[in-house]
Amino acid sequence: GENVEQHPSTLSVQEGDSAVIKCTYSDSASNYFPWYKQELGKRPQLIIDIRSNVGEKKDQRIAVTLNKTAKHFSLHITETQPEDSAVYFCAASDSWGKLQFGAGTQVVVTP
Amino acid sequence: GAVVSQHPSWVICKSGTSVKIECRSLDFQATTMFWYRQFPKQSLMLMATSNEGSKATYEQGVEKDKFLINHASLTLSTLTVTSAHPEDSSFYICSARRDRGMGQPQHFGDGTRLSIL
Repeated sequence: GENVEQHPSTLSVQEGDSAVIKCTYSDSASNYFPWYKQELGKRPQLIIDIRSNVGEKKDQRIAVTLNKTAKHFSLHITETQPEDSAVYFCAASDSWGKLQFGAGTQVVVTP
Repeated sequence: GAVVSQHPSWVICKSGTSVKIECRSLDFQATTMFWYRQFPKQSLMLMATSNEGSKATYEQGVEKDKFLINHASLTLSTLTVTSAHPEDSSFYICSARRDRGMGQPQHFGDGTRLSIL
């Protein structure tokens, strides 16, 4: 089955700096890669996703890149703000449409 | 759009009690719903996939007689934790997907925090 690895596990950045989270996946048949943001005790919220026929997608301060050959994808947050502090999960959709999540990255943005 | 409601948000009950959790898609019909379990500071672990009108598909290691799933309509799935014990205490989250197949986003409910005394 699909295996998703996510790094780093924690990330501390100064407000205004950029944050990058990287994930790798194992199943070459996976073709959908969402990113979720989860605040403590709350639901995971979809912040951006990318399909395998696209190499990059951007939505304001958030961007995701996908390298199908290397089987890795990354989340980039620019001009970070304190409200960006949360746990971020990457995921990959297997051939059944089920999501396999990464272990998560705790992002802390310090003012 | 794509709002998923989960109820209750918090349950505390005695060991041996059965607990039912509801997951509803409020503004769309969900052909597939998923049930996850999340321990503190850990990732989401898929427990089972629920398709409307058919039996749920359970992940390896998840006891189907312990975690009963019913997907009676295109907007409602329920998870019943039977004869719950302290080790079943966790955060349970459902998600719903509008269409089948790959490449479709999952939208999550608010989760249910279950504490078994």
